[in-house]
Amino acid sequence: QQQVKQSPQSLIVQKGGISIINCAYENTAFDYFPWYQQFPGKGPALLIAIRPDVSEKKEGRFTISFNKSAKQFSLHIMDSQPGDSATYFCAAVRNEKLTFGTGTRLTIIP
Amino acid sequence: KAGVTQTPRYLIKTRGQQVTLSCSPISGHRSVSWYQQTPGQGLQFLFEYFSETQRNKGNFPGRFSGRQFSNSRSEMNVSTLELGDSALYLCASSGNPLGSMNTEAFFGQGTRLTVV
Repeated sequence: QQQVKQSPQSLIVQKGGISIINCAYENTAFDYFPWYQQFPGKGPALLIAIRPDVSEKKEGRFTISFNKSAKQFSLHIMDSQPGDSATYFCAAVRNEKLTFGTGTRLTIIP
Repeated sequence: KAGVTQTPRYLIKTRGQQVTLSCSPISGHRSVSWYQQTPGQGLQFLFEYFSETQRNKGNFPGRFSGRQFSNSRSEMNVSTLELGDSALYLCASSGNPLGSMNTEAFFGQGTRLTVV
């Protein structure tokens, strides 16, 4: 049962552009919503996270937008750079457990 | 300080065999979780240990088991291996239980298990 749905599966963005990845969840009891970045051969690394009582959080070029009523949240990467090329996972946390989305492979082209 | 260490990095096993994977968490971390990553199913939660107690378990068959030692190091075991068990097995550690946004889960590089 997929409790966190993520789209798109893959995304190609021009350098300097905005990358947008979307997620939707079903369980309203999640405690918070992190985003992870994973490079080939590495484990996922926390990028940014948001609580369900906050509508937006920004850290540098990364912003999470959160819509509690729609049970949706998204990651925006501003001024996308080639070094941002990686797989991104949204997740939701409840009872010490991370439930991950299916991942988005982001490619930034020059 | 050292990150999460998983050993071995790569493993090839035959169907029917069993395997034990090891995870050393960041020093001082008491919570260790295990995840299975496959192209088809993505990242799926296996189990979580805190202070040697399993507190949460995912939807995996009983062939998947784990334990945590008093020094917080953890092992997971898979018995009677099947081809479908081929995956990247990731371990994550955190200083406190994952329930607060201020608690980050740090992942190791994983153990790539191939069952032939």
